[in-house]
Amino acid sequence: QKEVEQNSGPLSVPEGAIASLNCTYSDRGSQSFFWYRQYSGKSPELIMSIYSNGDKEDGRFTAQLNKASQYVSLLIRDSQPSDSATYLCAVNTGSQGAQKLVFGQGTRLTINP
Amino acid sequence: NAGVTQTPKFQVLKTGQSMTLQCAQDMNHNSMYWYRQDPGMGLRLIYYSASEGTTDKGEVPNGYNVSRLNKREFSLRLESAAPSQTSVYFCASSEWDRDGQPQHFGDGTRLSIL
Repeated sequence: QKEVEQNSGPLSVPEGAIASLNCTYSDRGSQSFFWYRQYSGKSPELIMSIYSNGDKEDGRFTAQLNKASQYVSLLIRDSQPSDSATYLCAVNTGSQGAQKLVFGQGTRLTINP
Repeated sequence: NAGVTQTPKFQVLKTGQSMTLQCAQDMNHNSMYWYRQDPGMGLRLIYYSASEGTTDKGEVPNGYNVSRLNKREFSLRLESAAPSQTSVYFCASSEWDRDGQPQHFGDGTRLSIL
């Protein structure tokens, strides 16, 4: 079982709808969770971090964490064509800094006008 | 403000050749990282440096060496390139290393080993 799993997609969502991206992880001791956005041919950029159970909102983005069920999700409200990108989930599975930050394979999101 | 600068952007090598990928950041960050990204594999950590003078192995360090020359610069060296090292390489930095998350990435180096 992979440590961090994402559906590779592509996930196709109409413009203006809510895009929901999911990520599951295997280590119950994981404490910190991150979402990165990566446009095609570009480098990743950190867009969200979440550390506690529940929701964290930042503009049109909401990160949701459920440690009991071992999943973290990213919701994008009022999806725009500019949101079309690959979204990478990253989970820190221990307390040793970068060595324990594991990335999922990413979900490719397409927003259709 | 350039952020994280990587050179070169593209490189083609023959099997067995060596080369050094350069990375520099101008944000006074303590932590720097080298990742590789292969299709369908996400990002995998090669080496990282939590502070000047320290380096540690990541998930896939074999075949690579690193040097944290000073606080700004963190280079990655392939001593004897192999086709399996064909990948996109990203350097990244962050202000702190509590959770190991890179904050700023360079534009990447697209490396092909023939």
